Amino acid sequence: GIQVEQSPPDLILQEGANSTLRCNFSDSVNNLQWFHQNPWGQLINLFYIPSGTKQNGRLSATTVATERYSLLYISSSQTTDSGVYFCAVGLNQFYFGTGTSLTVIP
Amino acid sequence: NAGVTQTPKFQVLKTGQSMTLQCAQDMNHNSMYWYRQDPGMGLRLIYYSASEGTTDKGEVPNGYNVSRLNKREFSLRLESAAPSQTSVYFCASESQISYEQYFGPGTRLTVT
Repeated sequence: GIQVEQSPPDLILQEGANSTLRCNFSDSVNNLQWFHQNPWGQLINLFYIPSGTKQNGRLSATTVATERYSLLYISSSQTTDSGVYFCAVGLNQFYFGTGTSLTVIP
Repeated sequence: NAGVTQTPKFQVLKTGQSMTLQCAQDMNHNSMYWYRQDPGMGLRLIYYSASEGTTDKGEVPNGYNVSRLNKREFSLRLESAAPSQTSVYFCASESQISYEQYFGPGTRLTVT
């Protein structure tokens, strides 16, 4: 299967700080999505982004498919951003990374 | 519009018992998926169904069976539960328009 590596594994931020999360993958894909798992376990889709750049409020993502990586930017972080961020990639099926655990402290 | 629903939310089984996890979506999506999530890990795909009447194995299918009952419902069956199947199970469906996946709330299963 496709190998997916996310970095950093853990991140602690002060409220208001910015951060960049990275996802590297081992093979060509036609589907890449970023998810947020909140502290209660619910998974929410953030972006479908197999290539290019998208923005949604304080969040934005960029995927460079030819170089097999994607970046998730979080600006002006809030405590509600805490949780685990997963990158998932694939062709017919998804392979998930092990996630970046983000803690935002007030 | 409930999205993706899963039942039960919690379940405890003894080794060797069987059970079926239920999943339903009301978004008219063609594709549906079953994942498991173990502590400190990402999700791993068990089975998926690209459309009503079709199912395919994912990364970790051993010990599981699935049924795509109709377009709305996709069930996961454990025929003889083992402690290694202790996990949180998530069902998801995928929009054929946006390709985004939508997840249910999960079922926390413990096998003793």
